[in-house]
Amino acid sequence: KNQVEQSPQSLIILEGKNCTLQCNYTVSPFSNLRWYKQDTGRGPVSLTIMTFSENTKSNGRYTATLDADTKQSSLHITASQLSDSASYICVVNSNYQLIWGAGTKLIIKP
Amino acid sequence: SAVISQKPSRDICQRGTSLTIQCQVDSQVTMMFWYRQQPGQSLTLIATANQGSEATYESGFVIDKFPISRPNLTFSTLTVSNMSPEDSSIYLCSVEVRVGGELFFGEGSRLTVL
Repeated sequence: KNQVEQSPQSLIILEGKNCTLQCNYTVSPFSNLRWYKQDTGRGPVSLTIMTFSENTKSNGRYTATLDADTKQSSLHITASQLSDSASYICVVNSNYQLIWGAGTKLIIKP
Repeated sequence: SAVISQKPSRDICQRGTSLTIQCQVDSQVTMMFWYRQQPGQSLTLIATANQGSEATYESGFVIDKFPISRPNLTFSTLTVSNMSPEDSSIYLCSVEVRVGGELFFGEGSRLTVL
């Protein structure tokens, strides 16, 4: 069964600290992997899309990694800001079918 | 990119009534989707809105409950029919500017059914 699992479910860190969110998937075939940021009460916004051949991709303070062999991805946030408080959702594209993770709720405290 | 406007942004409705949500895109797009996000959950695809033909529904969703219109390449509506409290969710319109590319989402319509 195609599944995307994210951990932790929630995370609280202090402003300025770094954090890493995890995404494990059992999806086949694999087309690409996406990370979305969803602020409370808003629609999701795309952070990155990674294909099979891409190991690392950065978008400002966000860096996503992909290990297609172990079927794992991570999203690293550097020097966190209060505005990073949101849910981060990992999504795997399998032949144009999107498999959505449950998300990690990140809270940044001042 | 694409800018998506959804209306209403939120509504409180009575059980048994219906509500129509509108989605307007600032450019012509081929692929338009409707998602549901129940409280504390991730997104679930309801259907793909097809221009000029019937929508394609995912398992668990039916046209009688969630009729969809797509009269042109920039506009779509989703109706939630005969609502019950279990329909309380955020409903999101989404578009794909190029096939397989990133999805752009509207702000969502938060529906509460009493």
